[in-house]
Amino acid sequence: DAKTTQPNSMESNEEEPVHLPCNHSTISGTDYIHWYRQLPSQGPEYVIHGLTSNVNNRMASLAIAEDRKSSTLILHRATLRDAAVYYCILRLSNDYKLSFGAGTTVTVRA
Amino acid sequence: NAGVTQTPKFRILKIGQSMTLQCAQDMNHNYMYWYRQDPGMGLKLIYYSVGAGITDKGEVPNGYNVSRSTTEYFPLRLELAAPSQTSVYFCASSYRGGLGTDTQYFGPGTRLTVL
Repeated sequence: DAKTTQPNSMESNEEEPVHLPCNHSTISGTDYIHWYRQLPSQGPEYVIHGLTSNVNNRMASLAIAEDRKSSTLILHRATLRDAAVYYCILRLSNDYKLSFGAGTTVTVRA
Repeated sequence: NAGVTQTPKFRILKIGQSMTLQCAQDMNHNYMYWYRQDPGMGLKLIYYSVGAGITDKGEVPNGYNVSRSTTEYFPLRLELAAPSQTSVYFCASSYRGGLGTDTQYFGPGTRLTVL
């Protein structure tokens, strides 16, 4: 499996941006970069994905490095509801499973 | 749409007992998955199905069985429960399966304790 590396934890203040880094130096040309998050006592939920270009949706933005060896998930204005574990996952084009690592635990201070 | 639903929410089993974890989805998704999550860890795939009548093993299938007779339902059977199966179990579904753009939708989970 293609591996990703994320910090164990990050803290942010409410209404400030949060930048979550992810390293994936062994990424192949057809791997998509996905982000999921898991709120306390809930199942994971999809956040965003991308291949080469930066992506925006209502939840977050995804910035992908030009060499694709790293990416950053950006939460523009953190709220208390954004406190969760965030997982950076590489989706192989022919692999059905999502390979979850330990993720980054995000704490948001009021 | 209710999305992905799971029952029960919680269950305590004694060693050696059996049970079935129920999963249903109303999004007409072909692909369904069962994951387990041990405390402080990421999710690991137990079994998956690419359509009614077709199932395959994931990373950690030992001690579990599945069946998929309809598109909507994908039950997970535990035979002879063991303490190592204490975990939170998540069911998920997706429309397009093994594509890089595929998005999985997860249920709320079943918290199982085996004593």
